[in-house]
Parts: sequence; structure tokens; C-alpha cells
Amino acid sequence: SQKIEQNSEALNIQEGKTATLTCNYTNYSPAYLQWYRQDPGRGPVFLLLIRENEKEKRKERLKVTFDTTLKQSLFHITASQPADSATYLCASPPSGTYKYIFGTGTRLKVLA
Amino acid sequence: GAVVSQHPSWVICKSGTSVKIECRSLDFQATTMFWYRQFPKQSLMLMATSNEGSKATYEQGVEKDKFLINHASLTLSTLTVTSAHPEDSSFYICSADPDSTDTQYFGPGTRLTVL
Repeated sequence: SQKIEQNSEALNIQEGKTATLTCNYTNYSPAYLQWYRQDPGRGPVFLLLIRENEKEKRKERLKVTFDTTLKQSLFHITASQPADSATYLCASPPSGTYKYIFGTGTRLKVLA
Repeated sequence: GAVVSQHPSWVICKSGTSVKIECRSLDFQATTMFWYRQFPKQSLMLMATSNEGSKATYEQGVEKDKFLINHASLTLSTLTVTSAHPEDSSFYICSADPDSTDTQYFGPGTRLTVL
């Protein structure tokens, strides 16, 4: 079956360092992948979308890569801050559908 | 970005009662909206796709007679949890995709607690 997996359930890093989160997909080839931020008790907030023909996308301190050979997307937060602490989700719709599959999320904690 | 609202943000009800949750797209029209359920420390699970002017499409394992969906206008979809039981307690989130953006925008969620 088509799956998205985020390997790390939780990640703690020191303030100022770069956080790198991983998203792997299996049994399908997504046309695009998205990354969302979710705070406790809130709905996900869209951060970035990267398409299969794009290697990298940036937005301020955020960077996303898409490697179709490794079937993987990496999400980086540079110069991390305690305010970046949240759960980050990757998601994409399998080919030919509009229904999103979500990863289980990585809970990032940035330590001051 | 596009804004989606949900009402109420939380609700507590007695077992056997019905609860209605509203999802509104505030600054765009949405022919399709999605309803998700999220249990603690788990990811979002799609329950159903709500289509304006037609019947909703339910995911496998989701009881359509228990989770009634109505998408009466291009900016409003409602989810009614009928005869709620404690196991229906969860975080319910809706989303909508403004046409041609390939991006879903989520509401803030509704926390349902069934006693």
C-alpha cells in the first residue's frame, strides 16, 4: 500500500542549530510533497510545497528537498528557535487522487 | 493565504446525543472539503470528502450513517456525529483546497469529548 513515513517521532536540538526532518514515501510516486506545522490542539498550517521536478525549495529559514531516487524529502530549519518547536507533518496525494496521505509527524523541540 | 474556520472549537456532550461541527472557507469558494480525525499523538486520518451539491465520499471503515456530511454551499460543510459514544471522542479537522493551488488549508480543529 502507499505510505508516507517520518522516521523520527521526536527530535531535540539546541537553539541556533539546523533541524533536519525526513519524510520517505513507498509504493507510489507523488507529483508533489507538502510540509505542514501543527501546534498542540490546532490544525496543520501549510509551510512549503515541492514538486517532483524541483530539487529544492526555500522560504526564509526553511528549506525542502525532494529526491525521487531515494524516495525522500528532507525539511530543514536553519538557525532554529524555541518558537519552532512543534510537530511537522509531510503529506502528499497518491498519483491520480486528491486525497492526502499524511506522515505520523516529527515532534521537534528546540532547546534554549 | 486561504482561511478556513471551524465551529465550535471544542464540545463536550453526553453519550447518545448528536453534535454538529461546521467548516467554513472564509475568503474562497471550495467545491470540495475534507474531514479528518486525529487521535492523540497520531497523524491525520481522512474520514470523508465533502462535495458541494452531492453526496460525500467516505473512506473505508467510516460509517456514513454515523458521520453525516452536508456541503450545502461553496463555503460551508458540516459534519454531524450522530448518537455519539465515548470512542468518538477525538480531534476533528476540516480542510479545503482553493481551486488550482494543490494546497489544502486546514481549519483550527474541533475537540469532541463524549462523556
